[in-house]
Amino acid sequence: QIALKESGPTVVKPTQTLTLTCTFSGFSLSTHGVGVGWIRQPPGKALEWLALLYWDDDKRFSPSLKSRLTITKGTSKNQVVLTMNNMDPIDTGTYYCAHLSSYGSGMNWFDSWGQGTLVTVSS
Amino acid sequence: SYELTQPPSVSVSPRQTASITCSGDKLGDKYVCWYQQKPGQSPVLVIYQDSKRPSGIPERFSGSNSGNTATLTISGTQAMDEADYYCQAWDSTTAGFGGGTKLTVL
Repeated sequence: QIALKESGPTVVKPTQTLTLTCTFSGFSLSTHGVGVGWIRQPPGKALEWLALLYWDDDKRFSPSLKSRLTITKGTSKNQVVLTMNNMDPIDTGTYYCAHLSSYGSGMNWFDSWGQGTLVTVSS
Repeated sequence: SYELTQPPSVSVSPRQTASITCSGDKLGDKYVCWYQQKPGQSPVLVIYQDSKRPSGIPERFSGSNSGNTATLTISGTQAMDEADYYCQAWDSTTAGFGGGTKLTVL
Protein backbone atom coordinates (compact mmCIF):
# COMPACT_ATOMS: atom_id res chain seq x y z
CA GLN A 1 0.00 0.00 0.00
CA ILE A 2 1.48 3.30 -1.13
CA ALA A 3 1.35 6.21 1.31
CA LEU A 4 2.86 9.68 1.20
CA LYS A 5 2.91 12.47 3.74
CA GLU A 6 4.10 16.04 3.41
CA SER A 7 5.80 17.91 6.24
CA GLY A 8 7.25 21.34 6.70
CA PRO A 9 6.47 24.79 8.08
CA THR A 10 2.91 26.01 8.12
CA VAL A 11 3.95 29.67 7.93
CA VAL A 12 6.86 31.28 6.12
CA LYS A 13 7.71 34.94 5.74
CA PRO A 14 7.98 36.69 2.38
CA THR A 15 11.41 36.26 0.74
CA GLN A 16 12.16 33.19 2.86
CA THR A 17 12.87 29.74 1.44
CA LEU A 18 10.28 26.99 1.89
CA THR A 19 11.51 23.46 2.48
CA LEU A 20 9.01 20.62 2.30
CA THR A 21 9.65 16.94 2.85
CA CYS A 22 7.63 14.09 1.36
CA THR A 23 7.99 10.89 3.34
CA PHE A 24 6.66 7.84 1.57
CA SER A 25 6.18 4.12 2.01
CA GLY A 26 5.06 1.20 -0.10
CA PHE A 27 7.43 1.85 -2.99
CA SER A 28 11.06 2.54 -3.79
CA LEU A 29 12.24 5.57 -5.72
CA SER A 30 14.95 3.33 -7.15
CA THR A 31 12.41 1.27 -9.06
CA HIS A 32 12.26 1.87 -12.82
CA GLY A 33 9.19 3.85 -13.80
CA VAL A 34 8.61 5.51 -10.45
CA GLY A 35 8.64 9.19 -9.61
CA VAL A 36 7.57 11.63 -6.92
CA GLY A 37 5.98 14.90 -7.87
CA TRP A 38 4.91 18.07 -6.10
CA ILE A 39 1.66 19.84 -6.89
CA ARG A 40 0.17 22.85 -5.13
CA GLN A 41 -3.28 24.37 -4.84
CA PRO A 42 -4.01 27.95 -3.72
CA PRO A 43 -7.16 28.21 -1.58
CA GLY A 44 -10.20 27.77 -3.78
CA LYS A 45 -8.14 27.48 -6.93
CA ALA A 46 -6.83 24.87 -9.34
CA LEU A 47 -4.02 22.38 -9.06
CA GLU A 48 -0.61 23.49 -10.29
CA TRP A 49 2.24 21.08 -11.02
CA LEU A 50 5.60 22.17 -9.59
CA ALA A 51 8.31 19.53 -9.92
CA LEU A 52 9.05 15.87 -10.48
CA LEU A 53 11.89 13.56 -9.48
CA TYR A 54 12.25 10.30 -11.42
CA TRP A 55 13.75 7.00 -10.26
CA ASP A 56 16.90 7.71 -12.30
CA ASP A 57 17.36 11.11 -10.61
CA ASP A 58 16.08 12.95 -13.67
CA LYS A 59 14.29 16.14 -12.62
CA ARG A 60 11.59 18.24 -14.24
CA PHE A 61 10.21 21.62 -13.22
CA SER A 62 7.34 23.90 -14.08
CA PRO A 63 8.81 26.38 -16.57
CA SER A 64 7.24 29.33 -14.74
CA LEU A 65 8.78 28.36 -11.39
CA LYS A 66 11.95 26.59 -12.45
CA SER A 67 14.29 29.32 -11.22
CA ARG A 68 12.89 29.04 -7.69
CA LEU A 69 12.66 25.28 -7.24
CA THR A 70 14.93 22.43 -6.34
CA ILE A 71 13.96 18.79 -5.82
CA THR A 72 16.19 16.16 -4.31
CA LYS A 73 16.17 12.83 -2.57
CA GLY A 74 16.21 13.23 1.18
CA THR A 75 18.73 11.94 3.65
CA SER A 76 16.45 8.95 4.11
CA LYS A 77 15.79 6.65 1.13
CA ASN A 78 12.06 7.20 1.46
CA GLN A 79 12.06 10.98 1.31
CA VAL A 80 11.94 13.65 -1.37
CA VAL A 81 12.62 17.29 -0.55
CA LEU A 82 11.27 20.32 -2.39
CA THR A 83 12.64 23.79 -1.83
CA MET A 84 11.13 26.99 -3.17
CA ASN A 85 12.97 30.24 -2.63
CA ASN A 86 11.83 33.84 -2.48
CA MET A 87 8.38 32.98 -1.14
CA ASP A 88 5.55 35.45 -1.70
CA PRO A 89 2.00 35.63 -0.32
CA ILE A 90 0.78 34.41 -3.72
CA ASP A 91 2.53 31.11 -2.98
CA THR A 92 0.08 30.41 -0.16
CA GLY A 93 -1.71 27.13 -0.63
CA THR A 94 -1.81 23.41 -0.01
CA TYR A 95 1.25 21.55 -1.22
CA TYR A 96 0.87 17.90 -2.20
CA CYS A 97 3.38 15.24 -3.03
CA ALA A 98 2.29 12.33 -5.19
CA HIS A 99 3.56 9.00 -6.50
CA LEU A 100 4.05 8.94 -10.25
CA SER A 101 3.83 5.86 -12.43
CA SER A 102 5.78 6.32 -15.64
CA TYR A 103 5.60 4.13 -18.73
CA GLY A 104 7.25 6.36 -21.27
CA SER A 105 6.83 9.72 -22.91
CA GLY A 106 3.57 11.24 -21.78
CA MET A 107 2.42 8.01 -20.16
CA ASN A 108 2.72 9.28 -16.61
CA TRP A 109 0.10 9.66 -13.95
CA PHE A 110 -0.12 10.57 -10.28
CA ASP A 111 -1.84 7.56 -8.76
CA SER A 112 -1.37 8.19 -5.05
CA TRP A 113 -1.39 11.53 -3.28
CA GLY A 114 -0.42 12.71 0.17
CA GLN A 115 -2.87 14.52 2.40
CA GLY A 116 -1.30 17.87 1.59
CA THR A 117 0.16 20.53 3.84
CA LEU A 118 -1.11 24.10 4.00
CA VAL A 119 1.60 26.72 3.72
CA THR A 120 0.80 30.35 4.45
CA VAL A 121 3.16 33.09 3.37
CA SER A 122 2.76 36.06 5.65
CA SER A 123 4.89 38.53 7.53
CA SER B 1 3.31 24.59 -18.91
CA TYR B 2 0.81 23.04 -21.27
CA GLU B 3 -2.51 24.93 -21.16
CA LEU B 4 -5.71 22.96 -20.67
CA THR B 5 -9.17 24.52 -20.60
CA GLN B 6 -12.19 23.16 -18.71
CA PRO B 7 -15.65 24.60 -18.14
CA PRO B 8 -15.87 26.02 -14.61
CA SER B 9 -19.04 24.13 -13.80
CA VAL B 10 -21.30 21.35 -15.02
CA SER B 11 -24.65 20.35 -13.57
CA VAL B 12 -26.34 16.98 -13.88
CA SER B 13 -29.40 15.27 -12.46
CA PRO B 14 -28.97 12.05 -10.49
CA ARG B 15 -28.78 8.92 -12.67
CA GLN B 16 -28.12 11.01 -15.78
CA THR B 17 -24.88 11.26 -17.75
CA ALA B 18 -22.38 14.00 -17.03
CA SER B 19 -19.73 15.04 -19.53
CA ILE B 20 -16.77 17.22 -18.63
CA THR B 21 -14.53 18.46 -21.40
CA CYS B 22 -10.88 19.42 -21.45
CA SER B 23 -9.37 21.20 -24.44
CA GLY B 24 -5.80 21.83 -25.49
CA ASP B 25 -3.71 22.15 -28.61
CA LYS B 26 -3.44 18.72 -30.27
CA LEU B 27 -4.57 17.15 -27.02
CA GLY B 28 -5.53 14.00 -28.88
CA ASP B 29 -1.83 13.36 -29.49
CA LYS B 30 -1.19 13.20 -25.75
CA TYR B 31 -2.38 11.03 -22.91
CA VAL B 32 -4.89 12.58 -20.53
CA CYS B 33 -5.59 11.82 -16.88
CA TRP B 34 -8.54 12.88 -14.79
CA TYR B 35 -8.59 13.51 -11.04
CA GLN B 36 -11.55 13.86 -8.69
CA GLN B 37 -11.24 16.11 -5.67
CA LYS B 38 -13.90 16.38 -3.00
CA PRO B 39 -13.93 19.28 -0.52
CA GLY B 40 -11.12 19.05 2.00
CA GLN B 41 -9.64 15.95 0.37
CA SER B 42 -6.67 15.15 -1.81
CA PRO B 43 -7.17 14.46 -5.52
CA VAL B 44 -7.90 10.90 -6.61
CA LEU B 45 -6.97 9.49 -10.02
CA VAL B 46 -10.13 8.31 -11.81
CA ILE B 47 -8.90 7.97 -15.42
CA TYR B 48 -5.40 7.55 -16.87
CA GLN B 49 -4.10 7.07 -20.41
CA ASP B 50 -7.26 8.70 -21.77
CA SER B 51 -9.67 5.93 -20.87
CA LYS B 52 -8.27 3.48 -18.31
CA ARG B 53 -9.73 3.18 -14.85
CA PRO B 54 -7.54 2.49 -11.80
CA SER B 55 -8.53 -0.32 -9.54
CA GLY B 56 -11.45 0.65 -7.36
CA ILE B 57 -12.88 3.32 -9.66
CA PRO B 58 -16.49 2.53 -10.63
CA GLU B 59 -17.28 1.55 -14.19
CA ARG B 60 -19.54 4.56 -14.58
CA PHE B 61 -16.39 6.67 -15.06
CA SER B 62 -15.04 6.63 -18.61
CA GLY B 63 -12.82 8.80 -20.76
CA SER B 64 -12.04 9.60 -24.36
CA ASN B 65 -9.60 11.84 -26.18
CA SER B 66 -9.52 12.97 -29.79
CA GLY B 67 -8.53 16.04 -31.73
CA ASN B 68 -8.21 18.92 -29.30
CA THR B 69 -10.67 17.65 -26.70
CA ALA B 70 -10.71 15.02 -24.00
CA THR B 71 -13.94 14.09 -22.24
CA LEU B 72 -14.67 12.56 -18.87
CA THR B 73 -18.06 10.87 -18.84
CA ILE B 74 -19.91 9.76 -15.74
CA SER B 75 -22.84 7.50 -16.52
CA GLY B 76 -25.63 7.14 -14.01
CA THR B 77 -24.23 9.98 -11.93
CA GLN B 78 -24.62 9.62 -8.20
CA ALA B 79 -24.69 12.24 -5.47
CA MET B 80 -21.30 10.98 -4.29
CA ASP B 81 -19.79 12.04 -7.64
CA GLU B 82 -20.28 15.73 -6.79
CA ALA B 83 -16.74 17.08 -6.75
CA ASP B 84 -14.16 19.09 -8.64
CA TYR B 85 -12.59 17.32 -11.61
CA TYR B 86 -9.22 18.16 -13.13
CA CYS B 87 -7.75 16.99 -16.39
CA GLN B 88 -3.98 16.67 -16.74
CA ALA B 89 -1.60 15.99 -19.59
CA TRP B 90 2.11 16.12 -20.36
CA ASP B 91 3.68 18.43 -22.91
CA SER B 92 6.97 16.73 -23.59
CA THR B 93 8.40 16.65 -20.08
CA THR B 94 6.23 19.14 -18.23
CA ALA B 95 2.78 18.58 -16.74
CA GLY B 96 -0.24 20.77 -17.06
CA PHE B 97 -3.54 20.73 -15.20
CA GLY B 98 -6.83 22.13 -16.36
CA GLY B 99 -8.54 24.83 -14.34
CA GLY B 100 -10.99 22.34 -12.87
CA THR B 101 -14.71 21.74 -13.28
CA LYS B 102 -17.13 21.74 -10.39
CA LEU B 103 -19.67 18.98 -10.96
CA THR B 104 -22.98 19.61 -9.23
CA VAL B 105 -25.49 16.79 -8.92
CA LEU B 106 -28.86 18.50 -8.62
